[in-house]
Amino acid sequence: QAVLTQPPSVSGAPGQRVIISCTGSSSNIGAGYDVHWYQQLPGKAPKPLIYVNSMRPSGVPDRFSGSKFGTSASLVITGLQAEDEADYHCQSYDSDLSGQVFGTGTKVTVL
Amino acid sequence: QVHLLESGPGRVKPSETLSLTCVVSGGSIGDLFWSWVRQPPGKGLEWIGFLFYGGTTSYNPSLENRVTISVDMSQNQLSLDLTSVTAADTAVYYCVRLRGGGDGRIDSWGQGTLVTVSS
Repeated sequence: QAVLTQPPSVSGAPGQRVIISCTGSSSNIGAGYDVHWYQQLPGKAPKPLIYVNSMRPSGVPDRFSGSKFGTSASLVITGLQAEDEADYHCQSYDSDLSGQVFGTGTKVTVL
Repeated sequence: QVHLLESGPGRVKPSETLSLTCVVSGGSIGDLFWSWVRQPPGKGLEWIGFLFYGGTTSYNPSLENRVTISVDMSQNQLSLDLTSVTAADTAVYYCVRLRGGGDGRIDSWGQGTLVTVSS
């Protein structure tokens, strides 16, 4: 089944920058479909964080940024804060699946 | 602001049918696309399928022969039926709204409902 690959975990000290990668294939990200990111706090439903590769919904701090290149995308958290400790999921569309495809998820730990 | 609220049995026995509903408030279910997503305990998110009122549906091929997503316009409600469940279907099930079509982004999530498959 099509899936987007993310590192299982990343960590950083408060104030540091962390980068989460999301690697797809020619049937999803590489085909030009947009990438979206969601933040999931412990015990909660995911929340939109970045949409259409680099756009932030209203209320999302500008320390969160996204980009897409080729068959991959990245989420960058600049100036890591304690409240950023959560799971992060990328999502795109896959033409082979004819539906949404999610990343494997990344747990961010603030040291 | 649209609000999505899932409800279901909580526990389903193996080989039986899992049935969930999602009540949509603050928006019409006749607009946009709607989808179900699930998350097994401690694991990542999995797309189940989506529906656009008027007949367009698409299901995850891994579940296609067991899943049906439907809509009740009179109740502004989305439904999910998953037949012949096994322990592998134990998960939190989320009702979500898609913006931008079937290939779009999720802009609203329900709170989720945990379904455990166990005898």
